[in-house]
Amino acid sequence: GAVVSQHPSRVICKSGTSVKIECRSLDFQATTMFWYRQFPKQSLMLMATSNEGSKATYEQGVEKDKFLINHASLTLSTLTVTSAHPEDSSFYICSARSLRGPQETQYFGPGTRLLVL
Amino acid sequence: QKEVEQDPGPLSVPEGAIVSLNCTYSNSAFQYFMWYRQYSRKGPELLMYTYSSGNKEDGRFTAQVDKSSKYISLFIRDSQPSDSATYLCAFKGYGNKLVFGAGTILRVKS
Repeated sequence: GAVVSQHPSRVICKSGTSVKIECRSLDFQATTMFWYRQFPKQSLMLMATSNEGSKATYEQGVEKDKFLINHASLTLSTLTVTSAHPEDSSFYICSARSLRGPQETQYFGPGTRLLVL
Repeated sequence: QKEVEQDPGPLSVPEGAIVSLNCTYSNSAFQYFMWYRQYSRKGPELLMYTYSSGNKEDGRFTAQVDKSSKYISLFIRDSQPSDSATYLCAFKGYGNKLVFGAGTILRVKS
């Protein structure tokens, strides 16, 4: 149980285009999902917390208009990187908090590798 | 001072060795302590979770928490090449946010 999927797993795009990444909790409902970014050989940096049916809460330094987050249902959150630039190239990982089990734990997706040319 | 300190390694050990991974933290508000394993180009996988001082064992893994010293450890017994990965400690206080260590790269040689 507690499986989280992400789509796509890899994406290469041209500078200036927008990219949408989906995060789904497959076997549980998640009122809260989280979006992280991880640069090579660095730890996970929280970008935003996504709550179903409400606006996302962004961490300091993360541009809301650039990283659009939508949490339309209890099993789906999307991150859209708008007008992507090469510096946005990174590994984006989502996680979800299950309504069952320890509320303190998060289950992570496999990540999406974004390369902006 | 960083909120969480974790030696990035790499830590190289022979197969069968006991591995000790450690993190220190400074935030007294942290109430929950976790260890995640992350294979290359994959998302982190929850290994151990605890909220009290002392030891918690699960198979070959033992998580140890010392709240008075603000120090947590993960021990891996009989290490295997398949244990080669990056191990991340993670902490949570009263909010939603998890705070991660930088991760320690472990290499188990056969």
